[in-house]
Order: sequence, then structure tokens, then C-alpha cells
Amino acid sequence: RKEVEQDPGPFNVPEGATVAFNCTYSNSASQSFFWYRQDCRKEPKLLMSVYSSGNEDGRFTAQLNRASQYISLLIRDSKLSDSATYLCVVNPNTGFQKLVFGTGTRLLVSP
Amino acid sequence: DVKVTQSSRYLVKRTGEKVFLECVQDMDHENMFWYRQDPGLGLRLIYFSYDVKMKEKGDIPEGYSVSREKKERFSLILESASTNQTSMYLCASSPGHRDVGEQYFGPGTRLTVT
Repeated sequence: RKEVEQDPGPFNVPEGATVAFNCTYSNSASQSFFWYRQDCRKEPKLLMSVYSSGNEDGRFTAQLNRASQYISLLIRDSKLSDSATYLCVVNPNTGFQKLVFGTGTRLLVSP
Repeated sequence: DVKVTQSSRYLVKRTGEKVFLECVQDMDHENMFWYRQDPGLGLRLIYFSYDVKMKEKGDIPEGYSVSREKKERFSLILESASTNQTSMYLCASSPGHRDVGEQYFGPGTRLTVT
């Protein structure tokens, strides 16, 4: 079983739609969770951290469910510029800030 | 603004050649990382370093070595390149133990081994 699993998509949505991605992780000792964004042919960049209490940043909301070991990302009012691959990232708490990256979920927002 | 630069965007090498990939960060970060990214496999950690002259193996260190002689520079070395090392190589840095999760990536080097 992969440490971090994501649906690769693509998710095709029209502008203005709400879209949600989930990600599951296998190590119950994992402590820190993040969403990164990667544009086509570009490097990954941190989008937001995921806290136990949830985290909201504008149109983006991240949630953590420790009992079921999944993380979610909700994007409201999708923009064309949201088209990218979203990487779920977990710190498995193995003694150093090693991160485990999911393979990503691709989002395509169309006019 | 944090900047991580990599020596080449595209590189083509022949099987058996020794290959050096250079990474430089300008924000005095303690930690530096080398990943490779392949379709369907995501980013996989090759090596990382948390201090000058220190290095730790990641998940896929075979066929690679690293060097960190100065804090700002982290080099990845392919001792004898093979075709299965064709990939996108990404370098990253991060400030320290408190800032788990925010890694700053360079633009990547797309290496092709023929």
C-alpha cells in the first residue's frame, strides 16, 4: 500500500464550480499534512498546511480526518488559474522533516 | 523571496557518463533535498542534508551520491548514468526543524540518459 494515495483525475470542472479532492495516508503516526500545487512543467509550491481543526485560505479549505486517515482539499468558485496538479504531502514523523508526496490530482478548469 | 536555482534545465548524457547536478539556495536554509519525479510515481526522495558535510539517504539512493561542502550548495552525482535515471530532478531547501512541510523547490533539471 502506498504511503499517500490520491485519485490522479483529471477532474474537469467549469469555472465557478466547487471541487473537492481526497487523499489517504497509511501511517497513523503521521503528524503534519500539506497540500502543494504544481503547475505544468513547474516546480511544486506549498499551497496550505492542514491542521486538525481545519484550515481555510480564501476559496481553499483543507480538512484532516485522523480517524479515517484522510485529508481533503475543497476549492470553491474555481478559476481558470486553479488548473494544476494538487499534491497531498505527509510528514510521516520518522524523526526528521522528511516529506512523502502523493502522485497528485490533476484539476482542469474550463471556461 | 527564497530562491533555489539548479544548474541546468535540460541535460542529455550518455550511458556510463558521470553527471553532476548542482543546486544553490540563497536563504541560508539548513536543509536541502534531492528528489526525482516520474509519471505515476510522484516525487521520491533520493538524498537529503541537514547541515554542511552531512548527508542522509532517502528512499532511492542507489546509483546516486551527494556533496554538501557549503551551506548554500547541494550537489547530486550520478556516478555512471544509466537509462533508468532519465527523469526530472528537483532540488529543495527548507529553513530548519521547526518549519516542517514548507520546502522550496528549484525549477528542476530534466535529465535524459541515452
